[in-house]
Amino acid sequence: GAGVSQTPSNKVTEKGKYVELRCDPISGHTALYWYRQSLGQGPEFLIYFQGTGAADDSGLPNDRFFAVRPEGSVSTLKIQRTERGDSAVYLCASSRRESTGELFFGEGSRLTVL
Amino acid sequence: GEDVEQSLFLSVREGDSSVINCTYTDSSSTYLYWYKQEPGAGLQLLTYIFSNMDMKQDQRLTVLLNKKDKHLSLRIADTQTGDSAIYFCAEITTGGFKTIFGAGTRLFVKA
Repeated sequence: GAGVSQTPSNKVTEKGKYVELRCDPISGHTALYWYRQSLGQGPEFLIYFQGTGAADDSGLPNDRFFAVRPEGSVSTLKIQRTERGDSAVYLCASSRRESTGELFFGEGSRLTVL
Repeated sequence: GEDVEQSLFLSVREGDSSVINCTYTDSSSTYLYWYKQEPGAGLQLLTYIFSNMDMKQDQRLTVLLNKKDKHLSLRIADTQTGDSAIYFCAEITTGGFKTIFGAGTRLFVKA
């Protein structure tokens, strides 16, 4: 597609459940990022992939959060044993590494943990 | 550490100029950015400035960079109601491609 695609756009789950959020980046973009945006805040960095490998996962809040990008394109953010504090909009962005660093964002996946 | 700070709200009248300010901490950032987020939409790059520049103009937008004070500003001339949005200042960290965002400035444009 022309832009970054994220699914689902909305996810409501119960505390303790497992959740997967998917990101399909712009074709040819080697860099992929996950951010989390809470209400009234700016995007908070979670993890950055260059190709298939996680080049920087310093923003993942704890070991309940994990992300993969097995073929260097689509990425999945996985959250285990969800907590109410995980409720936020999870943003995915992609970028051409050999560029000004401009990030192209998807519209986000809104996660609500009841 | 890495931090980007900006004021949270700005209200202007239609036709006036808006100035949104930001301070950052990483003096080695190569690029500094302004992103715009409209309600219900993802962030979009509005403009950027390379760190060896002190000013960049693009139509109604003027970006000023003061590296000594680590201060970045965005001026929107002839502000329109369609400019109402959240504006995020961002920097890219040294040695990598991690972009750090401020909390965003909510611009309200009164008709």
